[in-house]
Amino acid sequence: DTGVSQNPRHKITKRGQNVTFRCDPISEHNRLYWYRQTLGQGPEFLTYFQNEAQLEKSRLLSDRFSAERPKGSFSTLEIQRTEQGDSAMYLCASSFRSAEAFFGQGTRLTVV
Amino acid sequence: AQSVTQLDSQVPVFEEAPVELRCNYSSSVSVYLFWYVQYPNQGLQLLLKYLSGSTLVKGINGFEAEFNKSQTSFHLRKPSVHISDTAEYFCAVSLSGTYKYIFGTGTRLKVLA
Repeated sequence: DTGVSQNPRHKITKRGQNVTFRCDPISEHNRLYWYRQTLGQGPEFLTYFQNEAQLEKSRLLSDRFSAERPKGSFSTLEIQRTEQGDSAMYLCASSFRSAEAFFGQGTRLTVV
Repeated sequence: AQSVTQLDSQVPVFEEAPVELRCNYSSSVSVYLFWYVQYPNQGLQLLLKYLSGSTLVKGINGFEAEFNKSQTSFHLRKPSVHISDTAEYFCAVSLSGTYKYIFGTGTRLKVLA
């Protein structure tokens, strides 16, 4: 078990382009979370999956954002038509029937 | 709605001195409480957690925290800090059911030689 894995670690993209991030949770963890962390702030909740079902989405998650978790395993977070305000660290976490979540190393997105 | 307040954005302290990082929360329902540490360009590492039971919780790297329900606080303490403790520390609450986290804005601990 290597923990929660996120790819890529860093992404630089031009404004208006689409980007996709991947998160591989700890195997058999049924819950998966996405958070966004901007500079100098704490992580903010974006969305949450239990198995393959997306059960909650934050109002922070605009229509340009979409997340999936096919087959209840890995998850992807896509941002369409990126804006400079999307620049942030995107963190993925997973858990199994408990309140304790394990975080990945994050994907740092820079929109230029 | 739930919220977490970390009163100190930065805390400088000399090596081997004690430190306390403050965390207060607001919630109308029972929550679970956590402290995470984040090193530059890294994810979050769990220091300790309060789920139930004893209000004094011991974590990794010599850290401990005390849950105070009447004051809605969960302050983090370490009796003697090291240079390697320099990092950002986040307090968080987790809601029963979804277990999603609500984080504070973080406290930057800087340990001085």
